[in-house]
Amino acid sequence: GNSVTQMEGPVTLSEEAFLTINCTYTATGYPSLFWYVQYPGEGLQLLLKATKADDKGSNKGFEATYRKETTSFHLEKGSVQVSDSAVYFCATPPYSGGGADGLTFGKGTHLIIQP
Amino acid sequence: GAGVSQSPRYKVAKRGQDVALRCDPISGHVSLFWYQQALGQGPEFLTYFQNEAQLDKSGLPSDRFFAERPEGSVSTLKIQRTQQEDSAVYLCASKNLGDTQYFGPGTRLTVL
Repeated sequence: GNSVTQMEGPVTLSEEAFLTINCTYTATGYPSLFWYVQYPGEGLQLLLKATKADDKGSNKGFEATYRKETTSFHLEKGSVQVSDSAVYFCATPPYSGGGADGLTFGKGTHLIIQP
Repeated sequence: GAGVSQSPRYKVAKRGQDVALRCDPISGHVSLFWYQQALGQGPEFLTYFQNEAQLDKSGLPSDRFFAERPEGSVSTLKIQRTQQEDSAVYLCASKNLGDTQYFGPGTRLTVL
């Protein structure tokens, strides 16, 4: 089945720094790709998604582009804030072309933003 | 509208006890998922329902784990004879059409 691999943290940045969290996927076909965020003490929230190659997902200043050439879906933000401190998960369905099954997640990247 | 809710939020069990974890999905959502998240790891799929039918239970780690959704709405994940390795956060998610899953806050289970 499909899988994702993301860079492990923690990633520590200063406020207003540029952020990249790497995620690469292995898949048959072109499944949807997701970034979820987990703030301290809260549940997983969908941050953004892309449903086909070359799509760009964006939300709250974060962006990720579905790149089939490099099988990547890296998360970026131009200027991070302390409030962005959280754990970020890359995810994809285990099989392409179907939306019924559960998601396969990466191990998560803990982002720490220092003021 | 209301999101996915789970109860209890925290559960402490002695090894060997049975536990039941509840999930209330978003009203009208057809699909419901359970995940297990160990400390410092990503969520791992346990099982999936479409309405009341359990279509995939391939992720359940042992026959001590059982899930049900008898009326196609609320779901219960039951763990019998809990073991220390069952300690984790159990997440529930629901979705309707499309592929976006909405997650609850989770139940943190600690087995002593």
